[in-house]
Amino acid sequence: GAVVSQHPSWVICKSGTSVKIECRSLDFQATTMFWYRQFPKQSLMLMATSNEGSKATYEQGVEKDKFLINHASLTLSTLTVTSAHPEDSSFYICSASPEIGAREKLFFGSGTQLSVL
Amino acid sequence: QKEVEQNSGPLSVPEGAIASLNCTYSDRVSQSFFWYRQYSGKSPELIMSIYSNGDKEDGRFTAQLNKASQYVSLLIRDSQPSDSATYLCAVNMIPQGAQKLVFGQGTRLTINP
Repeated sequence: GAVVSQHPSWVICKSGTSVKIECRSLDFQATTMFWYRQFPKQSLMLMATSNEGSKATYEQGVEKDKFLINHASLTLSTLTVTSAHPEDSSFYICSASPEIGAREKLFFGSGTQLSVL
Repeated sequence: QKEVEQNSGPLSVPEGAIASLNCTYSDRVSQSFFWYRQYSGKSPELIMSIYSNGDKEDGRFTAQLNKASQYVSLLIRDSQPSDSATYLCAVNMIPQGAQKLVFGQGTRLTINP
């Protein structure tokens, strides 16, 4: 399958700092990438859809000014958690697909465990 | 009603037996259905995709889809301890265009040696 790389795997930060997470498609180009968040023992919740060269589309309830998404190239999307607080501690996962259409399969990055102290 | 529902489990199955995982979804126009396996602390891994009514087999895994009943299932034959994980059902809620998956809450499966 396609390879999606995510970095860092885990990060611990102080409350009020910003954290940047990178998501790269290694062997394909992705015009669209997706960012999910997963709290312990819960399912994945879509946060936003990242579109190359245009603004991201955020799901209802997700603050766009807090979770900044930049999709500057066809292989890289970044999620920046600004002024992080303990309630932002979660497992963040990006995903992408080498195909376009309703039947495309999503491949996930390895995830980033964020812990805000 | 949740868009994608799964029994959270835990589901315990003896090694070598068949594990049966079920999922229902609310949107009748959904056309793409996926099963992901997620180990603790790891990201989901795609196991099966299914788009048409009926069964689809891949090794020890069989996905079953019934669009009339809005039901999709995953069978794991000859269950192994390494199959112990959380299994996520995912449904594409948009018939065409960009993939937008909605996930169920996952079923935690334990295979007992």
